[in-house]
Amino acid sequence: QKEVEQNSGPLSVPEGAIASLNCTYSDRGSQSFFWYRQYSGKSPELIMFIYSNGDKEDGRFTAQLNKASQYVSLLIRDSQPSDSATYLCAVNMSGGSNYKLTFGKGTLLTVNP
Amino acid sequence: DVKVTQSSRYLVKRTGEKVFLECVQDMDHENMFWYRQDPGLGLRLIYFSYDVKMKEKGDIPEGYSVSREKKERFSLILESASTNQTSMYLCASSAVGFGYTFGSGTRLTVV
Repeated sequence: QKEVEQNSGPLSVPEGAIASLNCTYSDRGSQSFFWYRQYSGKSPELIMFIYSNGDKEDGRFTAQLNKASQYVSLLIRDSQPSDSATYLCAVNMSGGSNYKLTFGKGTLLTVNP
Repeated sequence: DVKVTQSSRYLVKRTGEKVFLECVQDMDHENMFWYRQDPGLGLRLIYFSYDVKMKEKGDIPEGYSVSREKKERFSLILESASTNQTSMYLCASSAVGFGYTFGSGTRLTVV
């Protein structure tokens, strides 16, 4: 079964620190990768996507992809209390409907003031 | 911005009732999805649709059906609601190859 794995956390970091969120996936042929942020009681919100190996930066967020290791990560620099949320990794896996995402169960991040 | 609208934010229904959850998107997306989200279980795909009148089962379709008569609207139907269908239901839409945009969710309680 094709899976996406995340450490459930909670991950606790002090304000201003770098938060590092990790995700592994089972399907080597996966093509596209997404990070969603979900505040408690709210729906997931897309914050980053990455398709190619390497780093992609957007403001305080950096997504990193290593297809050989089947690993994708999200770095949040200068973490703020408002970053406290659950972060979901999602992967578009190969071999099936190319528009369907498989989600990890999410990592709960807490940023302490 | 893409907007995905779910008709109800909170819903309370009785066991055995037929329940309709409505979802409308305004960006002409081909693909629409219904998920449920439960603590510790993550997002689980119920059904999805990649075109009008087309549907495919997801991971947990039992007890549910769907309808997509128009491109912008995707309905989830609980044929006979049961207490184990108490959950947060999330609708999403996407263009092919892109990430999803989610609606605000419907928290359904079956009593």
